[in-house]
Amino acid sequence: EIVMTQSPATLSVSPGERVTLSCRASQIVSSKLAWYQQKPGQVPRLLIHEISTRATGIPARFSGSGSGTEFTLTISSLQSEDFAVYYCQQANDWPLTFGGGTKVEIK
Amino acid sequence: EVQLVDSGGGLVQPGGSLRLSCAASGFIISNYWMTWVRQAPGKGLEWVASINPSGSEKLCVDSLKGRFSISRDNAKNSLYLEMNSLRAEDTALYYCVTGRFSHGYWGQGTLVTVSS
Repeated sequence: EIVMTQSPATLSVSPGERVTLSCRASQIVSSKLAWYQQKPGQVPRLLIHEISTRATGIPARFSGSGSGTEFTLTISSLQSEDFAVYYCQQANDWPLTFGGGTKVEIK
Repeated sequence: EVQLVDSGGGLVQPGGSLRLSCAASGFIISNYWMTWVRQAPGKGLEWVASINPSGSEKLCVDSLKGRFSISRDNAKNSLYLEMNSLRAEDTALYYCVTGRFSHGYWGQGTLVTVSS
């Protein structure tokens, strides 16, 4: 099983700041890496797939990068609506696995 | 508009069974892999099972094999999850989602609570 480790667990950020979230895989996951956003009480939303492709309707301030086992989600300028939990997920191999999430909270 | 409506959850005693359903509209599920993902209260996301478009290939997380089974009825544009021998640790919100590699559409979730 590919273990996905996200860091940090919690990030305290002020609106307007640049945010970088990390996701590390225990094995190479090629291009099958996705990021999701989940706000309290809401269903998760796909942000990024294939490492760096934004899903439909996702603002350009969200970007994904990385390769092999190290991946990053960057929010260029954090907006109030971006405070949420972010999950990475690999689909390179079964079982599909998610990271434990990074909570982005207001500083 | 794409919509996934999850149903079938509820309170069940340990050892009991439930069948979750997901009714899709706005697209034809026979063209897509479909997946169940669950989320225990206050916890993260966990992949449960996926099924290919024809239903000929089914995958399930090892820890649930033998108890959970995914199926689909493309004629009814629906996805199912049969859950048997339920345990307290199966308590979660169960989401029907589209896709194999990433999940662009999610149902609203159906809550399964396993408790005596």
